[in-house]
Amino acid sequence: DIQMTQSPSTLSASVGDRVIIICRASQSISTSLVWYQQKPGKAPNLLIYKASTLYSGVPSRFSGSGSGTEFTLTISSLQPDDFATYYCQHDDSYPFTFGPGTKVDVK
Amino acid sequence: EVQLVQSGGGLVKPGGSLRLSCAGSGFTAPGFSFTDAWMSWVRQAPGKGLEWVGRIKSKASGGAADYAPPVKGRFTISKDDSRSTLYLQMNSLRTDDTAVYYCTTGRWGGEAHWGQGTLVTVSS
Repeated sequence: DIQMTQSPSTLSASVGDRVIIICRASQSISTSLVWYQQKPGKAPNLLIYKASTLYSGVPSRFSGSGSGTEFTLTISSLQPDDFATYYCQHDDSYPFTFGPGTKVDVK
Repeated sequence: EVQLVQSGGGLVKPGGSLRLSCAGSGFTAPGFSFTDAWMSWVRQAPGKGLEWVGRIKSKASGGAADYAPPVKGRFTISKDDSRSTLYLQMNSLRTDDTAVYYCTTGRWGGEAHWGQGTLVTVSS
């Protein structure tokens, strides 16, 4: 099974900051990588699929890049609504494992 | 707008069984009916991260389901297209199956639509 890791586990930032979250796969998954945002008590929201395709309605300050085993989620200018936990997930082959999550909190 | 409404959670003793349901509506986009949808279950233990449980393909794609190792052989995913309902039958439940369970689906990649989540508590 493919294992996913994320770094950092927690990120403290301020409104307006550029934020970068890294996700790594234990083997190559091409661009079969998805990013989600989750707020406490809520279902996750899809942000990006196929590593870099922005899902409809997601603000353009979110972007994704990478292929193979290393991927990044970038928030170009952090907004108050962006404080949340972010998860990557691969959908290359079953089982579709998630990363452990990165919590973005207020600095 | 696709909506997924879940039901069936609750408290169950270790070794017991429970069935979760997920009723879909609003599948109006051309080529994306409930019948066409591949659907998944994801769970989240209290205070923990997301865990993929399994996925079922549409009948047109073979209708097979795949499962995460911790639930394989105990959980069964099924889909009743005539009722627009997805099911998760959970048998031989263990305390570490305690979680909020979400049904999900998506069209182009990733899970774009999520149910509201339903809590399953396995405890004696």
